[in-house]
Amino acid sequence: DTAVSQTPKYLVTQMGNDKSIKCEQNLGHDTMYWYKQDSKKFLKIMFSYNNKELIINETVPNRFSPKSPDKAHLNLHINSLELGDSAVYFCASSQENQGSGGYTFGSGTRLTVV
Amino acid sequence: AQKVTQAQTEISVVEKEDVTLDCVYETRDTTYYLFWYKQPPSGELVFLIRRNSFDEQNEISGRYSWNFQKSTSSFNCTITASQVVDSAVYFCALSEVGGTASKLTFGTGTRLQVTL
Repeated sequence: DTAVSQTPKYLVTQMGNDKSIKCEQNLGHDTMYWYKQDSKKFLKIMFSYNNKELIINETVPNRFSPKSPDKAHLNLHINSLELGDSAVYFCASSQENQGSGGYTFGSGTRLTVV
Repeated sequence: AQKVTQAQTEISVVEKEDVTLDCVYETRDTTYYLFWYKQPPSGELVFLIRRNSFDEQNEISGRYSWNFQKSTSSFNCTITASQVVDSAVYFCALSEVGGTASKLTFGTGTRLQVTL
Protein backbone atom coordinates (compact mmCIF):
# COMPACT_ATOMS: atom_id res chain seq x y z
CA ASP A 1 0.00 0.00 0.00
CA THR A 2 1.29 3.41 -0.95
CA ALA A 3 1.67 5.60 2.15
CA VAL A 4 1.42 8.99 0.41
CA SER A 5 -0.02 8.93 -3.07
CA GLN A 6 -0.23 11.80 -5.51
CA THR A 7 -2.12 12.03 -8.76
CA PRO A 8 -1.35 12.63 -11.50
CA LYS A 9 2.31 11.72 -11.74
CA TYR A 10 2.76 13.85 -14.84
CA LEU A 11 0.77 16.87 -15.94
CA VAL A 12 1.33 18.85 -19.12
CA THR A 13 -0.89 21.85 -19.67
CA GLN A 14 -1.05 25.17 -21.43
CA MET A 15 -0.50 28.56 -19.89
CA GLY A 16 -3.62 30.07 -18.42
CA ASN A 17 -5.26 26.77 -17.58
CA ASP A 18 -6.42 25.71 -14.13
CA LYS A 19 -5.28 22.34 -12.78
CA SER A 20 -5.41 20.31 -9.59
CA ILE A 21 -3.07 17.82 -7.98
CA LYS A 22 -4.44 15.39 -5.43
CA CYS A 23 -2.72 13.87 -2.44
CA GLU A 24 -3.85 11.20 -0.03
CA GLN A 25 -2.08 9.56 2.89
CA ASN A 26 -3.10 6.37 4.65
CA LEU A 27 -0.70 6.71 7.57
CA GLY A 28 -3.12 8.38 9.96
CA HIS A 29 -0.87 11.44 10.08
CA ASP A 30 -2.24 14.77 11.29
CA THR A 31 -0.14 17.09 9.17
CA MET A 32 0.28 17.34 5.42
CA TYR A 33 2.50 19.50 3.26
CA TRP A 34 3.13 20.65 -0.27
CA TYR A 35 6.71 21.19 -1.38
CA LYS A 36 7.88 22.55 -4.72
CA GLN A 37 11.09 21.42 -6.41
CA ASP A 38 12.26 23.78 -9.11
CA SER A 39 14.39 23.09 -12.15
CA LYS A 40 17.56 23.49 -10.08
CA LYS A 41 16.33 20.78 -7.70
CA PHE A 42 15.74 23.25 -4.88
CA LEU A 43 13.01 22.02 -2.52
CA LYS A 44 10.90 24.54 -0.67
CA ILE A 45 7.78 24.27 1.42
CA MET A 46 4.63 25.87 0.09
CA PHE A 47 1.87 24.93 2.53
CA SER A 48 1.24 22.91 5.64
CA TYR A 49 -2.09 21.73 7.04
CA ASN A 50 -2.70 20.27 10.47
CA ASN A 51 -6.05 18.52 10.94
CA LYS A 52 -7.51 20.41 7.97
CA GLU A 53 -6.27 23.76 9.25
CA LEU A 54 -3.77 25.84 7.29
CA ILE A 55 -0.72 26.50 9.44
CA ILE A 56 2.03 27.39 6.99
CA ASN A 57 1.68 29.50 3.86
CA GLU A 58 5.10 30.42 2.55
CA THR A 59 4.30 33.52 0.49
CA VAL A 60 2.92 31.47 -2.35
CA PRO A 61 0.95 33.38 -5.04
CA ASN A 62 -2.81 33.46 -4.58
CA ARG A 63 -3.17 31.39 -7.73
CA PHE A 64 -2.22 28.41 -5.58
CA SER A 65 -5.02 27.26 -3.31
CA PRO A 66 -4.64 24.19 -1.13
CA LYS A 67 -7.71 22.39 0.12
CA SER A 68 -7.92 19.77 2.83
CA PRO A 69 -11.34 18.10 2.95
CA ASP A 70 -10.15 15.81 5.73
CA LYS A 71 -6.84 15.11 7.40
CA ALA A 72 -6.01 12.31 4.97
CA HIS A 73 -6.25 14.52 1.90
CA LEU A 74 -4.53 17.68 0.77
CA ASN A 75 -5.18 18.86 -2.75
CA LEU A 76 -3.47 21.68 -4.60
CA HIS A 77 -5.37 23.77 -7.11
CA ILE A 78 -3.51 26.14 -9.38
CA ASN A 79 -5.29 28.85 -11.35
CA SER A 80 -4.03 30.65 -14.44
CA LEU A 81 -0.93 28.52 -14.80
CA GLU A 82 2.30 30.28 -15.77
CA LEU A 83 5.49 28.95 -17.31
CA GLY A 84 7.27 29.48 -14.00
CA ASP A 85 4.94 27.05 -12.29
CA SER A 86 6.66 24.20 -14.09
CA ALA A 87 8.21 22.11 -11.34
CA VAL A 88 7.87 18.89 -9.41
CA TYR A 89 5.36 19.15 -6.59
CA PHE A 90 5.75 16.82 -3.63
CA CYS A 91 3.12 16.07 -1.07
CA ALA A 92 4.27 14.91 2.38
CA SER A 93 2.81 14.02 5.73
CA SER A 94 4.00 13.79 9.32
CA GLN A 95 2.49 12.36 12.46
CA GLU A 96 2.21 15.71 14.20
CA ASN A 97 3.08 19.25 13.30
CA GLN A 98 6.36 19.12 15.15
CA GLY A 99 7.92 16.87 12.56
CA SER A 100 9.71 14.79 15.13
CA GLY A 101 8.18 11.64 13.72
CA GLY A 102 9.69 12.27 10.37
CA TYR A 103 8.16 13.13 7.03
CA THR A 104 6.83 10.74 4.40
CA PHE A 105 6.88 12.03 0.83
CA GLY A 106 4.78 11.12 -2.15
CA SER A 107 6.46 10.28 -5.43
CA GLY A 108 5.92 13.75 -6.85
CA THR A 109 3.89 15.32 -9.66
CA ARG A 110 5.87 16.74 -12.56
CA LEU A 111 3.98 19.75 -13.85
CA THR A 112 4.99 21.17 -17.23
CA VAL A 113 3.37 24.38 -18.41
CA VAL A 114 3.76 25.07 -22.13
CA ALA B 1 15.76 31.43 10.58
CA GLN B 2 16.98 27.99 9.82
CA LYS B 3 19.37 27.31 6.98
CA VAL B 4 21.09 24.26 5.51
CA THR B 5 24.20 24.51 3.37
CA GLN B 6 25.49 21.77 1.12
CA ALA B 7 28.56 23.36 -0.40
CA GLN B 8 29.33 20.48 -2.76
CA THR B 9 27.19 20.89 -5.84
CA GLU B 10 28.43 17.80 -7.62
CA ILE B 11 30.81 14.97 -6.78
CA SER B 12 32.12 12.31 -9.14
CA VAL B 13 33.76 9.16 -7.84
CA VAL B 14 34.75 5.80 -9.22
CA GLU B 15 32.98 2.75 -7.90
CA LYS B 16 34.32 1.39 -4.60
CA GLU B 17 35.62 4.77 -3.51
CA ASP B 18 34.38 6.23 -0.23
CA VAL B 19 32.68 9.60 -0.48
CA THR B 20 31.57 12.13 2.13
CA LEU B 21 28.71 14.53 1.56
CA ASP B 22 28.94 17.65 3.68
CA CYS B 23 26.07 19.37 5.44
CA VAL B 24 26.23 22.46 7.64
CA TYR B 25 23.14 23.87 9.30
CA GLU B 26 22.07 26.99 11.16
CA THR B 27 19.34 27.19 13.75
CA ARG B 28 18.58 29.16 16.89
CA ASP B 29 16.65 26.30 18.44
CA THR B 30 18.12 23.83 20.88
CA THR B 31 15.71 21.12 19.78
CA TYR B 32 15.68 20.18 16.13
CA TYR B 33 15.87 17.25 13.76
CA LEU B 34 18.27 16.60 10.93
CA PHE B 35 17.52 14.45 7.93
CA TRP B 36 19.12 13.02 4.82
CA TYR B 37 17.14 12.14 1.74
CA LYS B 38 18.27 10.53 -1.49
CA GLN B 39 16.67 11.43 -4.81
CA PRO B 40 17.61 8.91 -7.52
CA PRO B 41 17.05 9.68 -11.22
CA SER B 42 13.54 8.24 -10.93
CA GLY B 43 12.67 11.32 -8.87
CA GLU B 44 11.23 10.08 -5.60
CA LEU B 45 12.59 11.25 -2.26
CA VAL B 46 14.00 8.33 -0.28
CA PHE B 47 14.37 8.81 3.46
CA LEU B 48 17.80 7.82 4.77
CA ILE B 49 18.06 9.01 8.36
CA ARG B 50 16.55 11.24 11.04
CA ARG B 51 18.59 12.48 13.98
CA ASN B 52 17.50 14.63 16.89
CA SER B 53 19.66 17.38 18.27
CA PHE B 54 20.28 15.61 21.56
CA ASP B 55 21.73 12.51 20.01
CA GLU B 56 25.24 13.07 18.72
CA GLN B 57 26.04 9.42 18.40
CA ASN B 58 27.28 8.49 14.98
CA GLU B 59 25.19 6.00 13.08
CA ILE B 60 25.89 3.37 10.48
CA SER B 61 23.33 1.77 8.20
CA GLY B 62 24.76 -0.54 5.60
CA ARG B 63 27.26 1.41 3.55
CA TYR B 64 25.98 4.74 4.89
CA SER B 65 27.33 6.40 7.99
CA TRP B 66 26.54 9.76 9.52
CA ASN B 67 28.69 12.05 11.62
CA PHE B 68 26.77 14.61 13.68
CA GLN B 69 28.84 17.31 15.37
CA LYS B 70 26.96 20.05 17.16
CA SER B 71 30.18 21.95 17.82
CA THR B 72 30.56 22.60 14.10
CA SER B 73 26.83 22.39 13.23
CA SER B 74 27.54 19.65 10.75
CA PHE B 75 25.79 16.44 9.83
CA ASN B 76 27.87 14.71 7.18
CA CYS B 77 27.05 11.55 5.31
CA THR B 78 29.68 9.06 4.18
CA ILE B 79 29.05 6.32 1.66
CA THR B 80 31.57 3.52 1.88
CA ALA B 81 32.56 1.49 -1.18
CA SER B 82 30.27 3.49 -3.44
CA GLN B 83 28.27 1.76 -6.15
CA VAL B 84 26.70 2.98 -9.38
CA VAL B 85 23.27 2.65 -7.75
CA ASP B 86 24.31 5.34 -5.26
CA SER B 87 24.22 7.90 -8.06
CA ALA B 88 21.59 10.41 -7.00
CA VAL B 89 21.04 13.84 -5.55
CA TYR B 90 21.41 13.82 -1.78
CA PHE B 91 19.60 16.36 0.35
CA CYS B 92 20.29 17.33 3.92
CA ALA B 93 17.37 18.93 5.75
CA LEU B 94 16.55 20.52 9.09
CA SER B 95 13.30 20.62 11.02
CA GLU B 96 12.88 22.85 14.03
CA VAL B 97 10.55 21.77 16.82
CA GLY B 98 8.36 24.14 18.67
CA GLY B 99 5.88 26.83 17.84
CA THR B 100 2.78 26.05 15.92
CA ALA B 101 4.29 24.20 13.01
CA SER B 102 7.37 22.51 11.79
CA LYS B 103 8.71 22.34 8.30
CA LEU B 104 11.66 20.83 6.55
CA THR B 105 14.27 23.26 5.29
CA PHE B 106 16.37 21.59 2.62
CA GLY B 107 19.89 22.23 1.45
CA THR B 108 20.46 22.69 -2.25
CA GLY B 109 21.53 19.09 -2.67
CA THR B 110 24.71 17.34 -3.75
CA ARG B 111 24.65 15.39 -6.98
CA LEU B 112 26.72 12.23 -6.66
CA GLN B 113 27.86 10.47 -9.80
CA VAL B 114 29.41 7.04 -9.36
CA THR B 115 31.06 5.56 -12.43
CA LEU B 116 32.61 2.20 -13.19
